[in-house]
Amino acid sequence: AQKITQTQPGMFVQEKEAVTLDCTYDTSDPSYGLFWYKQPSSGEMIFLIYQGSYDQQNATEGRYSLNFQKARKSANLVISASQLGDSAMYFCAMREPGGGSNYKLTFGKGTLLTVNP
Amino acid sequence: EPEVTQTPSHQVTQMGQEVILRCVPISNHLYFYWYRQILGQKVEFLVSFYNNEISEKSEIFDDQFSVERPDGSNFTLKIRSTKLEDSAMYFCASKKQGASTDTQYFGPGTRLTVL
Repeated sequence: AQKITQTQPGMFVQEKEAVTLDCTYDTSDPSYGLFWYKQPSSGEMIFLIYQGSYDQQNATEGRYSLNFQKARKSANLVISASQLGDSAMYFCAMREPGGGSNYKLTFGKGTLLTVNP
Repeated sequence: EPEVTQTPSHQVTQMGQEVILRCVPISNHLYFYWYRQILGQKVEFLVSFYNNEISEKSEIFDDQFSVERPDGSNFTLKIRSTKLEDSAMYFCASKKQGASTDTQYFGPGTRLTVL
């Protein structure tokens, strides 16, 4: 069974600084995908970034980038120039290997990020 | 920008009552999902739905749960006889047909409270 581990229950960062949220995963399948979602206090789940196991380059989306280290099975989210609005819970999730187009997601327990002014 | 919508945002019910949670997926999406998140815990997969039938369900999705796409736009989750432990946030998600890299987009969730 696949597994996602987020070892940081909470993180603090000063506004305008960068922060890295850790995510490690466990799978024996060579084909998989990793997602990061943001959950503000209002509760919705917002897609941030995706990394496929065969992607040659690390994914980037604006201030979000994914530090993908395949050999270490880690997919850390880097948020540059933190803003107060970045304060939220962040979930790492994995697409079930071999699931094809219709896949289910397995989530980690999340990291609560607090951005201090 | 199209988005997944869910109603109601908050549902309070008595134990043993039936509830129906409603979702309107993004219009050109063909894969639909329900997930739940018990307070303070991680998000868990419940069920996936494609081509008017269940594709996969988790062990949580027992006989008390059912899903339906009653028309071309709505996707519902029914809990037949609610239990206290069904109290959670329920998320609907949808994905367009295509590559496995396509993203699941989540709705804002329905917070279900069973008393």
